[in-house]
Amino acid sequence: DVKVTQSSRYLVKRTGEKVFLECVQDMDHENMFWYRQDPGLGLRLIYFSYDVKMKEKGDIPEGYSVSREKKERFSLILESASTNQTSMYLCATFGLADTGELFFGEGSRLTVL
Amino acid sequence: RKEVEQDPGPFNVPEGATVAFNCTYSNSASQSFFWYRQDCRKEPKLLMSVYSSGNEDGRFTAQLNRASQYISLLIRDSKLSDSATYLCVVNYHSGSARQLTFGSGTQLTVLP
Repeated sequence: DVKVTQSSRYLVKRTGEKVFLECVQDMDHENMFWYRQDPGLGLRLIYFSYDVKMKEKGDIPEGYSVSREKKERFSLILESASTNQTSMYLCATFGLADTGELFFGEGSRLTVL
Repeated sequence: RKEVEQDPGPFNVPEGATVAFNCTYSNSASQSFFWYRQDCRKEPKLLMSVYSSGNEDGRFTAQLNRASQYISLLIRDSKLSDSATYLCVVNYHSGSARQLTFGSGTQLTVLP
């Protein structure tokens, strides 16, 4: 079975703190993604990576960075957390190209105080 | 205007009812279409792809209308377990996940 694991289900951080969200997949997929999901706005793409050390900005990259040092691991970094980054963060990997099926992790709910 | 729009609901229907959701998309170059299901506090999961000729999977039927730029999902004989949020997803380049655009979802509650 496909497995995408996110390191933390729930986090509470203070404004200005650095936040790391980690995602590990066991499917040997090249493509990995970070989304955030907010009520009424749906899922919005923050960054994606199509290979080790490769990354591309999504629709809302401001305030975020990513790291992909190994194929199975994709990290999302908030250099200085702000209250408007309170959200659900979802990591996903891309399976077969023609099916459009994204495999998601369980999500990390981040609250920034 | 959002690229992919859905009626957020909520749709509250009794068990056994038939319910339909629509989703409109603005980019006429869209190539492939999907419905995902997301249970409360869970991650989204692919429910079914939507093909030009329409397709069915058990109680679920998906249809595509390219001329009017909308897709639909029909659920027959609703079950309590169908309660979830249904996300419409549009892909502008087949095979490129980079262009997957999600609607904000339609919430369904099936009542006993």
